[in-house]
Amino acid sequence: AQTVTQSQPEMSVQEAETVTLSCTYDTSESDYYLFWYKQPPSRQMILVIRQEAYKQQNATENRFSVNFQKAAKSFSLKISDSQLGDAAMYFCACNTGTASKLTFGTGTRLQVTL
Amino acid sequence: GAVVSQHPSWVICKSGTSVKIECRSLDFQATTMFWYRQFPKQSLMLMATSNEGSKATYEQGVEKDKFLINHASLTLSTLTVTSAHPEDSSFYICSAGPLTGRYEQYFGPGTRLTVT
Repeated sequence: AQTVTQSQPEMSVQEAETVTLSCTYDTSESDYYLFWYKQPPSRQMILVIRQEAYKQQNATENRFSVNFQKAAKSFSLKISDSQLGDAAMYFCACNTGTASKLTFGTGTRLQVTL
Repeated sequence: GAVVSQHPSWVICKSGTSVKIECRSLDFQATTMFWYRQFPKQSLMLMATSNEGSKATYEQGVEKDKFLINHASLTLSTLTVTSAHPEDSSFYICSAGPLTGRYEQYFGPGTRLTVT
């Protein structure tokens, strides 16, 4: 079984600035996968970025990047050049392979201000 | 690619009736689909995992007789809420996956159920 913890219920960032959302996890598996999903007001879950645990290199997708610290079991999301459209609920999640269930954190609500 | 649809997007039903929610993978075959429930301002709670052609696996505390899940084909899974009560009102989300070589799940847009 795995657990995912997001300790920041809410965060706020000014437009064009950078913000980092925190996530820690715990799993007994050696092979696992980590994700950040975004849920805007429409409530459609959107995959932001994913990281395979066996890869040392941090994943990057345009303005989104992660800081994956395997030993510390930490998986933070950095959003650069924040935009109004980034305002959403962000969920950190973990699974342990194909067709396995996702374990979600409690989420961080991100506000983007002008 | 990897689009998942849900129907209906919003449904109101009377207490004691049953309602069916469909989840379809539109452009890929999904051997596994997942059903979640989400209360306002909370995270997603996994209800069950369904595999095509076999019985669903329910999470602890989820009533299998109340939440009937059928995964009859590689592109369709259904969730039927039987004898619905107001406390079943919630947002239900399905997901499907994975695609070959990938491990993420692809989510439907969700169904808002209101039981009156």
